Formats: sequence, structure tokens, C-alpha cells
Amino acid sequence: QSALTQPASVSGSPGQSITISCTGTSSDVGGYNYVSWYQQHPGKAPKLMIYDVSNRPSGVSNRFSGSKSGNTASLTISGLQAEDEADYYCSSYTSSSTPYVFGTGTKVTVL
Amino acid sequence: QVQLVQSGAEVKKPGASVKVSCKASGYTFTGYYMHWVRQAPGQGLEWMGRINPNSGGTNYAQKFQGRVTMTRDTSISTAYMELSRLRSDDTAVYYCARDLNTVTYDYWGQGTLVTVSS
Repeated sequence: QSALTQPASVSGSPGQSITISCTGTSSDVGGYNYVSWYQQHPGKAPKLMIYDVSNRPSGVSNRFSGSKSGNTASLTISGLQAEDEADYYCSSYTSSSTPYVFGTGTKVTVL
Repeated sequence: QVQLVQSGAEVKKPGASVKVSCKASGYTFTGYYMHWVRQAPGQGLEWMGRINPNSGGTNYAQKFQGRVTMTRDTSISTAYMELSRLRSDDTAVYYCARDLNTVTYDYWGQGTLVTVSS
């Protein structure tokens, strides 16, 4: 099972919106509504930001939103803030022999 | 409050085994799957496997089949991940993570650095 494909880096200015894509196949992202997104600051454990494609856990800012179209899921961060600078990973359930897979990761830079 | 507290850093020689523990508190340990995820230096997250703390049933990533063993001790609410025949490319931070639902890791341990070096 190959990792889901994410852009290596995305950047934006404070206040802008950015979108991170997560591309898989019909055996993972496209086949199930089990896509989640994680934020990871350097030296820290990942933090859950979105689950089941578009649900936000309590305590996570509503500036973070998730969606899916076909085999590609997306995480949008609106009103970009300095604290949003981090690595972001998507994850999905898959029908392969390895049932869970992460994306390659995206480094978000706030200019 | 939910907490996952992992054991401390380890240094191992190639060919050895390592066993990392993850002690859960603040919730019913047997009610949620526990997953293990690793991250090599400067690299992304990699799913290793999961254990059902209630039944002890496990699922492992194909890459680690035959080298990884996940167990639990319900009496002390602790999950374990043992990796054998260590190689230098097993050097990584190993995390345990509680699965609230399918691929919904809502709580993570602090991570355990395992360094494999001769």
C-alpha cells in the first residue's frame, strides 16, 4: 500500500486561505468516508484536526475544514495564522492488506 | 483526562529487539483500539498496526509482518509494541494512538525514540 499523495509544501500569507490535497485511489480515499487530517508541530505528537472527511473535533478551530471529491480529499485552512505553520498529514482506511495509510505530508509555511 | 504515557528512549544494536509500552489512563482501556505509528527522522508518519485491547486481536502492516508483535495487559491498561531484528532504518519515534473511530486518532502518546546503531 503506497502512501497517499500530498504536495510537499504549501504557503500563504496571514489571513489568506490555503488548501492541501490528499490523493489516493478508489481503494482508499475514494472508497470510504474515513479520511482524517493531523497537524504536527516540530518535536510534537500529531493532533487530530478533521475526521470522517469533514468532521471537526471539539476544540479545533472552525478555520479548519475538510472535504472530498472522488479520490482526492482536501483540508482548507482559512484566515491563516502564524500558529498554523506545521506539517499536515492525511490518513485513510484502505481495502488493502494494510488497512490504514498516511499521506506523504505537507509543510505549511505562513509567509 | 485521557492520557497515553509511553516508555523512555531506547538505544539498540542491529539485530536486537525493542519493546515499547503505552500506559493509558482516563478512559476504559478495553473500549478503543490502540494503534502504533512511527516516524523516522525528517520523514512522514507510517502506520504499523493496531490491537484490540478487549480481545487482544491484532492487525499489522504488511511491511512489518513477522517482525512486530502487539500485546496488551488489561490489568494495568498498557499496550506494548515489540519490534524484532532491528535495522538502522528502524530508527524512529514510535507513537501509540487511541482510535476513536476508524482512522480517528484522538489521543497520542508523547512518542518513544528508538535508535538502532552499532
